[in-house]
Amino acid sequence: GESVGLHLPTLSVQEGDNSIINCAYSNSASDYFIWYKQESGKGPQFIIDIRSNMDKRQGQRVTVLLNKTVKHLSLQIAATQPGDSAVYFCAEKGGSNDYKLSFGAGTTVTVRA
Amino acid sequence: SQTIHQWPATLVQPVGSPLSLECTVEGTSNPNLYWYRQAAGRGLQLLFYSVGIGQISSEVPQNLSASRPQDRQFILSSKKLLLSDSGFYLCAWTSIRVDTEAFFGQGTRLTVV
Repeated sequence: GESVGLHLPTLSVQEGDNSIINCAYSNSASDYFIWYKQESGKGPQFIIDIRSNMDKRQGQRVTVLLNKTVKHLSLQIAATQPGDSAVYFCAEKGGSNDYKLSFGAGTTVTVRA
Repeated sequence: SQTIHQWPATLVQPVGSPLSLECTVEGTSNPNLYWYRQAAGRGLQLLFYSVGIGQISSEVPQNLSASRPQDRQFILSSKKLLLSDSGFYLCAWTSIRVDTEAFFGQGTRLTVV
């Protein structure tokens, strides 16, 4: 089954506000984490990743935070735009030589105009 | 550049009929290959992954099988489809490095009637 889960299934955000999407993972040996965005009827698209030797990584309007102590991952989207409406998944890969990539259930983000 | 092709995009099949979904990757060699299934409103369930020709790891015992006859070809099959096999099937690839993101195909929407 899926080893990565999410705290909230849906998130409604006012346009221009910041969004925070949370994810809990269960495999303490996981050393690589990825956030994906999926629009309706399409395959997931890569947003940002982080390795286990980091606790924060920033991209364009997005920041990923990793707390290994409590096995928690979050994605922050700054100044949320209508185009950010989608389902967001976190994924994890196990330790070295473990190529299994597991996904959580996803959070549906809806941006209100 | 690397590309991943998955077909068909949509498929309607009767219960008890066979299934063959094909996925090919271009522009890379020795990719890790994955098959996922996504039920409506749910996350991505890992079905199979492969780290080399003829090497298949099965994550969920069910009515499906996978094969990798060539380095960049991954096939998902069933001898007799069930209604519960309906879903959105996604193929993905990663490089052989553990800490790289997966790239997804556009998916196949399978409806078993």
